[in-house]
Amino acid sequence: DIQMTQSPSSLSASVGDRVTITCRASQSITNYLNWYQQKPGKAPKLLISAASSLRSGVPSRFSGSGSGTNFTLTISRLQPDDFATYYCQQSYSSLWTFGQGTKVEIK
Amino acid sequence: QVQLQESGPGLVKPSETLSLTCSVSGDSISTKYWSWIRQPPGRGLEWLGYIYTDGSTNYNPSLKSRVTMSMDTSKNQFSLKVRSVTAADTAVYYCARTVYDYRGDFDYWGQGTLVTVSS
Repeated sequence: DIQMTQSPSSLSASVGDRVTITCRASQSITNYLNWYQQKPGKAPKLLISAASSLRSGVPSRFSGSGSGTNFTLTISRLQPDDFATYYCQQSYSSLWTFGQGTKVEIK
Repeated sequence: QVQLQESGPGLVKPSETLSLTCSVSGDSISTKYWSWIRQPPGRGLEWLGYIYTDGSTNYNPSLKSRVTMSMDTSKNQFSLKVRSVTAADTAVYYCARTVYDYRGDFDYWGQGTLVTVSS
């Protein structure tokens, strides 16, 4: 299995802050990496596919980068609506796996 | 607008079979990949597997011996069965769509349904 490790597990930030979340794969997954946002009691929402492709309708303050084993999700200027838990997910292997999540909380 | 809706019992007894159905509107299940994903309370996401338009499946090996996925194209629905459940199977179960297997991204999700395993 390919293990996906996110860091940090949680962070506190203020509106307007730049936030970076890291996702590391246990082996190279080239760019088969997707990012999701989940709010309490809701289904996850796809933000970014293929490491850096922003889904239509997702605000441009979200961006993704990386390849191989190291990936980042960046929120350029945190907005009140962005406080949520974020998950990375790999689709390189036939067994698709998620990271454990990063909770972004209000400072 | 693509919409997915899970349905099924919210309570299942230990050792019995969990059965859920996902009804799809706005798209045909005769195309694309259709997955089940679960999330135990307060925990992360686990992909259980998918069923493809031709009925082929790809299951998570951790549950492979207990899971069966099927589809009913006449009703535009696909289903999940998990046999011999235990308390560890208590979770919110989501159905989701993937357009391209090589991307493996879930672009549309159901709202989720909580299944509790308890006697």
